[in-house]
Amino acid sequence: GAVVSQHPSWVICKSGTSVKIECRSLDFQATTMFWYRQFPKQSLMLMATSNEGSKATYEQGVEKDKFLINHASLTLSTLTVTSAHPEDSSFYICSARGLAGALTTYEQYFGPGTRLTVT
Amino acid sequence: GDSVVQTEGQVLPSEGDSLIVNCSYETTQYPSLFWYVQYPGEGPQLHLKAMKANDKGRNKGFEAMYRKETTSFHLEKDSVQESDSAVYFCALRSHTNAGKSTFGDGTTLTVKP
Repeated sequence: GAVVSQHPSWVICKSGTSVKIECRSLDFQATTMFWYRQFPKQSLMLMATSNEGSKATYEQGVEKDKFLINHASLTLSTLTVTSAHPEDSSFYICSARGLAGALTTYEQYFGPGTRLTVT
Repeated sequence: GDSVVQTEGQVLPSEGDSLIVNCSYETTQYPSLFWYVQYPGEGPQLHLKAMKANDKGRNKGFEAMYRKETTSFHLEKDSVQESDSAVYFCALRSHTNAGKSTFGDGTTLTVKP
């Protein structure tokens, strides 16, 4: 089946620094990638949608200058949390959708998540 | 906009009990429906799906029927096991709206031994 990886799986950073999270589709080309954040015991909140080679579309209330998304290739998207603050601490999950052999274009596969802690 | 409402909070059946986790949806489009399962510290995994009305998704003894007339996609299992314990999310994906998925708030299933 389709596999999505994220790196790092967890990261601790100091307030004011920037952190980059990578999301890779390992065995398929992801035409669309989604970035979510999840607080403990809550649902997934969509932050932005990105299509390869295009600017990301951000959900209402998500600061695009703070959460920089780059989808430069069909297998890689990155989320950079700029000038991170403790309130940015969360579980960030990416998801990829695309053609993968017999799978349909509507399948959405999730990465394992990245736990960000800002001190 | 699209919305998904599912059984709130936590359900606590004993091993061997039957299970129903409710899921109702609202959309102006004709969606695909999904149940995802999430284990602690991991991302969600696709559990089962139904692409059109009257389809039944099945996986590991779980079933969910896509019922357009009642706009529901309840998750059912005849006999739960301790290993089924996880958080379950119901989701819809419309074929417009940029194909974005809308998730319910999640239901924590804790099966007592």
